Amino acid sequence: EVVLTQSPATLSLSPGERATLSCRASQSVSTYLAWYQQKPGQAPRLLIYDASNGAAGIPARFSGSGSGTDFTLTISSLEPEDFAVYYCQHGSSWPRTFGGGTKVEIK
Amino acid sequence: QVQLVESGGGVVQPGRSLRLSCAASGFTFSISGMHWVRQAPGKGLEWVTFISHDGNNEYYPDSVRGRFSISRDNSKNTVYLQMDSLNAEDTAVYYCAKDAGKKFFDYWGQGTLVTVSS
Repeated sequence: EVVLTQSPATLSLSPGERATLSCRASQSVSTYLAWYQQKPGQAPRLLIYDASNGAAGIPARFSGSGSGTDFTLTISSLEPEDFAVYYCQHGSSWPRTFGGGTKVEIK
Repeated sequence: QVQLVESGGGVVQPGRSLRLSCAASGFTFSISGMHWVRQAPGKGLEWVTFISHDGNNEYYPDSVRGRFSISRDNSKNTVYLQMDSLNAEDTAVYYCAKDAGKKFFDYWGQGTLVTVSS
């Protein structure tokens, strides 16, 4: 089973700042990695798939990079609605697994 | 637009069974794989199961294999999750999600809460 480790657990930033979230896999997942955003009381929403492709309707300030075992989600300039929990998830083998999440909170 | 609506959640005693349903609309259900993902209160996301578009392939993690079973009825645009031998660790919000390329989840329902308690 692929274990995904996200860091940091919590990121405290102000609106307008740049956010950089990390996801590390215990073995290579090629580029089969996705990022999701989840707000309280809501279902997750797909942001990025295949490591760097933006899902439909996702603002350009969200970008993903990486391959193999190290991945990054970058939010170029935080908007108030971006404060949420972010999860990475791999699609390279069964079982699918998620990282533990990074909470982006308002500083 | 894509809609996924889960139902069937509730309070169930340990050791008992429950069946969840997910009604889909807004896309061609019969050619789409489907997943269930759960989230325990205050915790992260855990993938539960996948079924292929034709029902011929299913996958489960060790945590639910042998206790949970996924099925689908393409004539009703509905996917099901049969959960047997439930225990407290199965308490969670259960989401159904549409498969994207057999790798990711591109649309999610609003979830249904399952509470296993005596």
